Amino acid sequence: TQLLEQSPQFLSIQEGENLTVYCNSSSVFSSLQWYRQEPGEGPVLLVTVVTGGEVKKLKRLTFQFGDARKDSSLHITAAQPGDTGLYLCAGVLNTPLVFGKGTRLSVIA
Amino acid sequence: NAGVTQTPKFRVLKTGQSMTLLCAQDMNHEYMYWYRQDPGMGLRLIHYSVGEGTTAKGEVPDGYNVSRLKKQNFLLGLESAAPSQTSVYFCASSYATTNTEAFFGQGTRLTVV
Repeated sequence: TQLLEQSPQFLSIQEGENLTVYCNSSSVFSSLQWYRQEPGEGPVLLVTVVTGGEVKKLKRLTFQFGDARKDSSLHITAAQPGDTGLYLCAGVLNTPLVFGKGTRLSVIA
Repeated sequence: NAGVTQTPKFRVLKTGQSMTLLCAQDMNHEYMYWYRQDPGMGLRLIHYSVGEGTTAKGEVPDGYNVSRLKKQNFLLGLESAAPSQTSVYFCASSYATTNTEAFFGQGTRLTVV
């Protein structure tokens, strides 16, 4: 059973387009994290959301934590080729840092 | 700033051989983790440690053993490698388990033939 479901699994868009990726669960999390992973590298933390309904912005990236703390979304405005990568959400339940399967984003110039 | 260092970066094993993957962190973190990453499966937790001398099983522990004899090191052992253990292995460390950043190494690509 996958605790964190991410969608879509793959996304290919043109430079300048907007996109949203989702992370959903049937469990309540005290916090959720978003990581970005580039080929040949380990994941790197983008943001941690803690409070239900919280919205955090990181330049062109907007992260939202659902009111019930069961889901989160990542919205990218005006995507750039440098945004290409694997986006992973992660949370802590009974074991440390469970990851979703990720959304692989490709931004074409 | 070394952060989390994994050795080796690449390895090819024959079925039945054994090996140890080494993870070292220089951030004085209490918590350390071993994950494996397979296509379409995301990162799955193998074992983790909440402090020196302690280890615990994660989601996929079978076929692996770990040791945390020193706070800065976390070793992952494969006693008898199987083709199903072909994967990319990531080590990570963190100050705590919740609401804190996990720092990852660059990974070890292991192929078992």
